[in-house]
Amino acid sequence: DQQVKQNSPSLSVQEGRISILNCDYTNSMFDYFLWYKKYPAEGPTFLISISSIKDKNEDGRFTVFLNKSAKHLSLHIVPSQPGDSAVYFCADPWNYGGSQGNLIFGKGTKLSVKP
Amino acid sequence: EAGVAQSPRYKIIEKRQSVAFWCNPISGHATLYWYQQILGQGPKLLIQFQNNGVVDDSQLPKDRFSAERLKGVDSTLKIQPAKLEDSAVYLCASSLRLSGRETQYFGPGTRLLVL
Repeated sequence: DQQVKQNSPSLSVQEGRISILNCDYTNSMFDYFLWYKKYPAEGPTFLISISSIKDKNEDGRFTVFLNKSAKHLSLHIVPSQPGDSAVYFCADPWNYGGSQGNLIFGKGTKLSVKP
Repeated sequence: EAGVAQSPRYKIIEKRQSVAFWCNPISGHATLYWYQQILGQGPKLLIQFQNNGVVDDSQLPKDRFSAERLKGVDSTLKIQPAKLEDSAVYLCASSLRLSGRETQYFGPGTRLLVL
C-alpha cells in the first residue's frame, strides 16, 4: 500500500496561472514533508518543505499547504512559468515504512506549463 | 560546490550479465543513499550508508545486488546477475548527516536497460 500518493500523473497549466499539485499520505511519523522537482536526465532537486508546526510554508512563487486532519498536502506555484515544467514528487523522510532519511516518494506529477 | 557525481550515465546489458555503478558524494557528506527509480514510479531506497556503515538495506535484493562504501566516501552498487526488471534509473544521493530534516542532494543517475 502506498504511503505517499500523488493521484494525478500529469497536469497542464497555462503560463501565468496557478499550478496546484496534490499529495496524500499515511503512516507519517512527524507530518514533515518535502517536495522535489525533477527535470529529464537529471536527479531530483529539493524544492520546499513543510513541518507539522505550520500549515503553510512559502518560498517565492512556491507555497506548500499541509492539512494534517485530512493527511493531505499541496504545492501551489503562482505564477507558473514554462521553466517550471518538470516532474514534482512529494516525499516523507520519516515514515513508518522506512528508516529515518529513507525518503518515501509519491509517483510524481508531471507538470507542463504552456506559453 | 561540486554536486553528486555518478557514472556511467547510461548502460545497456543483457540479462544475466553483471553491472556496476559508481557514486562520488558531495565532499563532507556522511550519509549516502542509493535509490532505484522504475519508469512511472518515484525513487525507492535500496541502501543507506552512514560513513562506511550500512544503516538500512532492507529493500536491497541481496541475492543479486550488493553495495559498498569502503572508505566512507565513494560508493559502488553492483548487480549480478541482472534481470529484465532491473531496468531503471539508479540514483545516488548524499546528505551532510543522517536526519530526516537534512536535504538530500541527488546525482544525475545511471539509466540501466537490461535486454
